[in-house]
Amino acid sequence: DADVTQTPRNRITKTGKRIMLECSQTKGHDRMYWYRQDPGLGLQLIYYSFDVKDINKGEISDGYSVSRQAQAKFSLSLESAIPNQTALYFCATSDFAGGNEQFFGPGTRLTVL
Amino acid sequence: AQSVTQLGSHVSVSEGALVLLRCNYSSSVPPYLFWYVQYPNQGLQLLLKYTSAATLVKGINGFEAEFKKSETSFHLTKPSAHMSDAAEYFCAVTISGGSNYKLTFGKGTLLTVNP
Repeated sequence: DADVTQTPRNRITKTGKRIMLECSQTKGHDRMYWYRQDPGLGLQLIYYSFDVKDINKGEISDGYSVSRQAQAKFSLSLESAIPNQTALYFCATSDFAGGNEQFFGPGTRLTVL
Repeated sequence: AQSVTQLGSHVSVSEGALVLLRCNYSSSVPPYLFWYVQYPNQGLQLLLKYTSAATLVKGINGFEAEFKKSETSFHLTKPSAHMSDAAEYFCAVTISGGSNYKLTFGKGTLLTVNP
């Protein structure tokens, strides 16, 4: 079984709709992250969390919110989706050791029409 | 603040040829450096990492990278390309020390391997 899972894997939605992307991990890591990937831009950090009570904004948090429901679960919400949020979204986890190597989920491809 | 520059958004090689993907970093403190690979429709997978031990780092699938402080570089190489190496490669940097939470990624290099 995969250590970091994301649901859904693909989603098409309309402008203005609320959507939630979910991430679960079985690695026992405290730190979790949400990134978006756009062609030619690499990965940009949206939000990160060091533990259940610690949530921090990343580089591009506007238009997004997150919830850390448990150590193993970290959800990303788009309150009112817009077309330029069409992208590939990745969840990642890490712990303090190992130089902060991050482990990635398979990604969610989101299309906003 | 740290940053990463990957030279060349697209590199094309013949099967059996040397693979060289370039990465230069900027960091005000000693860095940790990573190379990740992304195959089509998949997440990122760690190839190798430098965390201040040996400067020549060996990774999976025959890849290696050398940390050169004087050149602020961490180029990825493989002596002989295989068709299965076709993927996108990302270099990433973080700072060593207590708050080493943030990975800064380069924009990626797409590797094409021609038969």
